Amino acid sequence: DTGVSQNPRHKITKRGQNVTFRCDPISEHNRLYWYRQTLGQGPEFLTYFQNEAQLEKSRLLSDRFSAERPKGSFSTLEIQRTEQGDSAMYLCASSFTYSDGAFFGQGTRLTVV
Amino acid sequence: KNEVEQSPQNLTAQEGEFITINCSYSVGISALHWLQQHPGGGIVSLFMLSSGKKKHGRLIATINIQEKHSSLHITASHPRDSAVYICAVGGSNYKLTFGKGTLLTVNP
Repeated sequence: DTGVSQNPRHKITKRGQNVTFRCDPISEHNRLYWYRQTLGQGPEFLTYFQNEAQLEKSRLLSDRFSAERPKGSFSTLEIQRTEQGDSAMYLCASSFTYSDGAFFGQGTRLTVV
Repeated sequence: KNEVEQSPQNLTAQEGEFITINCSYSVGISALHWLQQHPGGGIVSLFMLSSGKKKHGRLIATINIQEKHSSLHITASHPRDSAVYICAVGGSNYKLTFGKGTLLTVNP
């Protein structure tokens, strides 16, 4: 296991299209987090899973955003009807326990044109 | 006012210099994190602190809970240390609040 893997690394899409990103956490990690980072800003929390349960969602996660983590393994983040304001880096992180620290993926950079 | 403030926003140093990046926060926290982000996006967790001081190689992180302040120090800086350093604070999970980051450039 080489760490948290995110795919794709880059995605360019036309406004109005739907996109889906995937995050594969470190295999024994039961906690998975999604963050969004816009240019020049620090990341912002989007949502958090413990196993397959989505325990918390940020107000940033509008109705166009949905995240799933079936079977408590990989997670997907879907954005429907993309808007230019959705252009950002989407980061995934996983952890086993809080005190063990979190491991971040390389991120998926979304550009909406 | 952001809940997590970092200073400076940009820092340029010569190789070998001692570097300090500061982080102040305004909320109660369980722990503070220092993260490193290289161009291209990947984030590496450097330290997680709830009190005192931690050291890893040339990196030292300190936190003062009473003053709600943390510092990240880099001794004998090297061009490969060039990156964005981000301070983040959180409760008992990784619903973190991040600072905007400090862009460090170390010139040879």
